[in-house]
Amino acid sequence: EAGVAQSPRYKIIEKRQSVAFWCNPISGHATLYWYQQILGQGPKLLIQFQNNGVVDDSQLPKDRFSAERLKGVDSTLKIQPAKLEDSAVYLCASSFWGASYEQYFGPGTRLTVT
Amino acid sequence: AQRVTQPEKLLSVFKGAPVELKCNYSYSGSPELFWYVQYSRQRLQLLLRHISRESIKGFTADLNKGETSFHLKKPFAQEEDSAMYYCALSLAGGTSYGKLTFGQGTILTVHP
Repeated sequence: EAGVAQSPRYKIIEKRQSVAFWCNPISGHATLYWYQQILGQGPKLLIQFQNNGVVDDSQLPKDRFSAERLKGVDSTLKIQPAKLEDSAVYLCASSFWGASYEQYFGPGTRLTVT
Repeated sequence: AQRVTQPEKLLSVFKGAPVELKCNYSYSGSPELFWYVQYSRQRLQLLLRHISRESIKGFTADLNKGETSFHLKKPFAQEEDSAMYYCALSLAGGTSYGKLTFGQGTILTVHP
């Protein structure tokens, strides 16, 4: 089966600019996650979707970050405006509902904010 | 709030030696614990979960609720075990089910 797809793989922007990341989960996976992984740290959950509804966005900095999953399939994560501390790898993952312990991760998008 | 601690950033062993990657957690309830692994140039993937009590690629992990630990062990390390290992915790049930809290990760290097 095809894995979780993410694009772009790399992005370099200047602070205060905007950026968007795209994720296409594994077909049939109802649950989708966005993680932020800062260098030297483990992934931190930003937002979790169940179909097109938000289950958990408690760690999403809502003043600058937004995410949507309009049709319950692919998803976009946006940062506007970006700050230097947003430099990180953004990981998307998906799982079957009821088996959320086994999350399938995408390759990630490495964001550098200068 | 739950927390996962992996005290070793780097761990080096020789091929054939035993290896133990440490993981401690803090949570007052009944969590589920997992080990995820990321091999070089590959994606992060689930290695094992404590509920299944399986041995995957020769690795085992036992949940010790008294010590709040979930250490990953392998009696004889192989070079192909070299990777980044993350311990992760999930709250069982409720709206937080599936939300993984990861540790900082341990880079394991197995020398020939």
